[in-house]
Amino acid sequence: DGGITQSPKYLFRKEGQNVTLSCEQNLNHDAMYWYRQDPGQGLRLIYYSQIVNDFQKGDIAEGYSVSREKKESFPLTVTSAQKNPTAFYLCASSSDRGNNSPLHFGNGTRLTVT
Amino acid sequence: AQTVTQSQPEMSVQEAETVTLSCTYDTSESDYYLFWYKQPPSRQMILVIRQEAYKQQNATENRFSVNFQKAAKSFSLKISDSQLGDAAMYFCAYRSDRYSGGGADGLTFGKGTHLIIQP
Repeated sequence: DGGITQSPKYLFRKEGQNVTLSCEQNLNHDAMYWYRQDPGQGLRLIYYSQIVNDFQKGDIAEGYSVSREKKESFPLTVTSAQKNPTAFYLCASSSDRGNNSPLHFGNGTRLTVT
Repeated sequence: AQTVTQSQPEMSVQEAETVTLSCTYDTSESDYYLFWYKQPPSRQMILVIRQEAYKQQNATENRFSVNFQKAAKSFSLKISDSQLGDAAMYFCAYRSDRYSGGGADGLTFGKGTHLIIQP
């Protein structure tokens, strides 16, 4: 079955350490996205990529970095510069073929930094 | 920039009854797309229904329907015959039309409405 795989489901890190969240899709989608979800805040866009080797900052990109070396993969690195990294992170993709293409989401990664 | 507002942080409905979740948005664009997503306790985001702004007819998916009022910039979700499995967070989302120069940056989400189903 096609889908989006995020790993791991839970991730724990010490403050000051960088951590990378994995996102892989086998839907052959061109566009991929990273969202952050905090209680009462909805989903906020961190980074997005429309094509391999290209990506753009979203609304809250500070303290994060991404790469898009392969169409299937869009890893997110949470750096030590991110002041409040503890959150639920969702990766998504879309076919980009139509304007009403919905986003397909992974199951998310819960990151806890202490 | 577009904004999406969900004014009801929490709603409660009796099983088998009908409930309406509100959503308003702010945009200067004429072409765009609207979505409702459901997030159950598993935290998986599930598409419930979508609406193209150029369509006057309200979208319907089984027990889910929308009331799209373009002039009022309102996009409410009606759930009929509520079931226990409908209990979840519901997010309203907006997407610009890419051929008008937007849409590349995904969806703009509201803060969500927590729907409780009372047995």
